[in-house]
Amino acid sequence: EVQLEQSGAEVKKPGSTVKISCKVSGYPFSDYDMHWVKQAPGKGLEWMGLVDPIDGETLYAENFQGRVTITADTSRDTTYLALSSLRADDSAVYFCARSHGGKFGYLDYWGQGTLVTVSS
Amino acid sequence: QSVVAQSPSASGTPGQMITISCSGSSSNIGSNYVHWYQQLPGVAPKLLLYENNQRPSGVPDRFSGSKSGTSASLAISGLRSEDEADYFCAVWDDSLRGHVFGTGTKVTVL
Repeated sequence: EVQLEQSGAEVKKPGSTVKISCKVSGYPFSDYDMHWVKQAPGKGLEWMGLVDPIDGETLYAENFQGRVTITADTSRDTTYLALSSLRADDSAVYFCARSHGGKFGYLDYWGQGTLVTVSS
Repeated sequence: QSVVAQSPSASGTPGQMITISCSGSSSNIGSNYVHWYQQLPGVAPKLLLYENNQRPSGVPDRFSGSKSGTSASLAISGLRSEDEADYFCAVWDDSLRGHVFGTGTKVTVL
């Protein structure tokens, strides 16, 4: 059974960095790109970027360029999302998701989400 | 604001059919597959349809999709109370070089 298990909720101060993890199981981690998606309270879904676990190649949404880093650790079957220079509007639930069909593909399995609260 | 627009809401009574639209441009819907996600309250999104009209295993055939030009649509027939959720279309955008989600449609079953 494919599972994506994300790390727990975080409370961070403005200007700091948060790092969230997503550990997968039930399939070969390197075979699928991993994506991260943001959902602010009461808002829609916003794509942040992806990583190819095989070579670590990344692609980031323009809105997050310069502040986001997505990595993959094949020894741990885990992908990470790091977001720096946090501000209040970064408070959101962040989802990891597996991509079927490479970077252009659809997101067929999702993590449960990680709530990040940015507050002084 | 997303470059892919959806009507904010749709509603119907049990048993009815409703349609949700997703409007984009030549750089996204016009040249790439559209996928649809269902998000029930308080949980992660779930893949509902992929590649315009394909249903993953376990998704009832009450859900169907289509695409024409720079627009796509999701139809839900035989509406049921458990269909009450937010629905998002998603597509790769060649100009942005990234995925784009539609603005989302909240479906209410009256």
